[in-house]
Amino acid sequence: NAGVTQTPKFQVLKTGQSMTLQCAQDMNHEYMSWYRQDPGMGLRLIHYSVGAGITDQGEVPNGYNVSRSTTEDFPLRLLSAAPSQTSVYFCASSYYKGRGTKRETQYFGPGTRLLVL
Amino acid sequence: GESVGLHLPTLSVQEGDNSIINCAYSNSASDYFIWYKQESGKGPQFIIDIRSNMDKRQGQRVTVLLNKTVKHLSLQIAATQPGDSAVYFCAENTGGYQKVTFGTGTKLQVIP
Repeated sequence: NAGVTQTPKFQVLKTGQSMTLQCAQDMNHEYMSWYRQDPGMGLRLIHYSVGAGITDQGEVPNGYNVSRSTTEDFPLRLLSAAPSQTSVYFCASSYYKGRGTKRETQYFGPGTRLLVL
Repeated sequence: GESVGLHLPTLSVQEGDNSIINCAYSNSASDYFIWYKQESGKGPQFIIDIRSNMDKRQGQRVTVLLNKTVKHLSLQIAATQPGDSAVYFCAENTGGYQKVTFGTGTKLQVIP
């Protein structure tokens, strides 16, 4: 298994440009999420999904959109990039057994480093 | 607000010695805790977890201790190796897959 893969590894954008960060997993995990990591701060949740067709906002969703058309893929879209979105983005996945059930380990991808000028 | 934090931002340890990384949490509703290791340029990697109904859990060369009385979590690494050099995060889960708060991390430097 490749686990969680992310593309691209690095990206430079100009303010106002749009782009999609790709995330895929081959572990048949229901739960997928996007985090951003900034210096001196812990990982912060942007959006998450508990299954195909189901998405919800996390702690810092503004400026980002997501969709989940398949179990495997969970792309993150930046509609109009801003310098404040310069960060390292991580996608993660885990099994999801429903509300109130045991929480499973999250597996993280290698990250996408984004610079917005 | 509630938060997860670490006492030491950087920890230097001699190869072969034991390492102890500490974490304080303030949310009394947290019932699940995780330690992650993040090597430079890579994503976080799960090390070990512990639920609030336990005080101690052991893995391979790692032990996590939970003291709910003082809201303290620690990660012990036995016989620290150069490959253990990384940033270590603690995280707490207050319920639901999305309710995870990550600490800022402690950098562990192993001196050969």
